[in-house]
Amino acid sequence: DAKTTQPTSMDCAEGRAANLPCNHSTISGNEYVYWYRQIHSQGPQYIIHGLKNNETNEMASLIITEDRKSSTLILPHATLRDTAVYYCIVRVGSSNFGNEKLTFGTGTRLTIIP
Amino acid sequence: GAGVSQTPSNKVTEKGKYVELRCDPISGHTALYWYRQSLGQGPEFLIYFQGTGAADDSGLPNDRFFAVRPEGSVSTLKIQRTERGDSAVYLCASSPDGRSYEQYFGPGTRLTVT
Repeated sequence: DAKTTQPTSMDCAEGRAANLPCNHSTISGNEYVYWYRQIHSQGPQYIIHGLKNNETNEMASLIITEDRKSSTLILPHATLRDTAVYYCIVRVGSSNFGNEKLTFGTGTRLTIIP
Repeated sequence: GAGVSQTPSNKVTEKGKYVELRCDPISGHTALYWYRQSLGQGPEFLIYFQGTGAADDSGLPNDRFFAVRPEGSVSTLKIQRTERGDSAVYLCASSPDGRSYEQYFGPGTRLTVT
């Protein structure tokens, strides 16, 4: 799986949009971008994933650049409960059996400021 | 419904002892994963089961680590002759099958080797 680069930490004011960047310049054509987050003392939680189109769900939006070398996770109205470590993961598409593991980096520690 | 559960939540053992960590996946999930997370790091993949068989055990660090899933549901991670370096949070995750995009994580077992 391709490596990813994320900032170590970020702050965001409560109620504002949190924009978390991720670089994945060596991503392959069949690799998806996944985002998970880990709230303190809990297991990681899936947020969203995408291949090349922008995606949105009830938790967040994912913007992937046209060349797919970077992406941004957007939390539209951050709350204190969004304080967590956010992991950007690049993973071969789920149609390929045998590549199901997730390879986590160190992630971005996002702190929401009241 | 019930999520992934792990027992015990905390385990303290002496160097050289044997430990077993248990994971109860979400009912009906055929894929089960074990990860290990050291302080300040992202989770690190250990082993993946599809049903009863280990489809990928490439992350097990050495032969002191072993995992089983005899009936395709509950899994046990076994560590022999524990070392202080084995101290970490051991996370279990499950998904409906190996091709699912989302893995559901348990809260983890914090293992401390003294």
